[in-house]
Amino acid sequence: KQEVTQIPAALSVPEGENLVLNCSFTDSAIYNLQWFRQDPGKGLTSLLLIQSSQREQTSGRLNASLDKSSGRSTLYIAASQPGDSATYLCAVWNSGNTPLVFGKGTRLSVIA
Amino acid sequence: EADIYQTPRYLVIGTGKKITLECSQTMGHDKMYWYQQDPGMELHLIHYSYGVNSTEKGDLSSESTVSRIRTEHFPLTLESARPSHTSQYLCASSELAGGNEQFFGPGTRLTVL
Repeated sequence: KQEVTQIPAALSVPEGENLVLNCSFTDSAIYNLQWFRQDPGKGLTSLLLIQSSQREQTSGRLNASLDKSSGRSTLYIAASQPGDSATYLCAVWNSGNTPLVFGKGTRLSVIA
Repeated sequence: EADIYQTPRYLVIGTGKKITLECSQTMGHDKMYWYQQDPGMELHLIHYSYGVNSTEKGDLSSESTVSRIRTEHFPLTLESARPSHTSQYLCASSELAGGNEQFFGPGTRLTVL
């Protein structure tokens, strides 16, 4: 059974720092991997989707990488801002017809 | 931007009442999902559907029921609300094939007194 782990569970950084959030999964036979952002009391916002054949995706200050063989993905946030404060969740698809498996998230606080 | 809607956004209701949480999407997605999430806690999948007349139970046992009569609509019903049902309910959808990117609605925060 696929398990997704996110480390650290919480992270606090000063504004302007570059930071990396980690996601690991136990079954490397994934279809794709998706990173989300969730603000308190809100729904999830899709940030980046990486297909299994891809190594990375970029959107603005965000860059997500995928290493299927080692069962790892990282989300890199450049020049962090207080508005980046949120919980970041990683989720994997094992095939096109199974539900996403989510990690528990990393709660990020960017201090001005 | 994802076109997935949930109503109501907030609901406070007494024990024993029947409630239906609405979820609609205009993207023509075949797959739809319901998640339950307590504040600060992880997501739990409670129901999903891969198309009209298809519904499946998720990982977390739930006393709720769902129906999928139309592609765009996936309502969740609680026949008799209890305080233990107090939580946030999130609806999501994705295409059946292709990239399978999943989109979420804004959520319904339910409080049962």
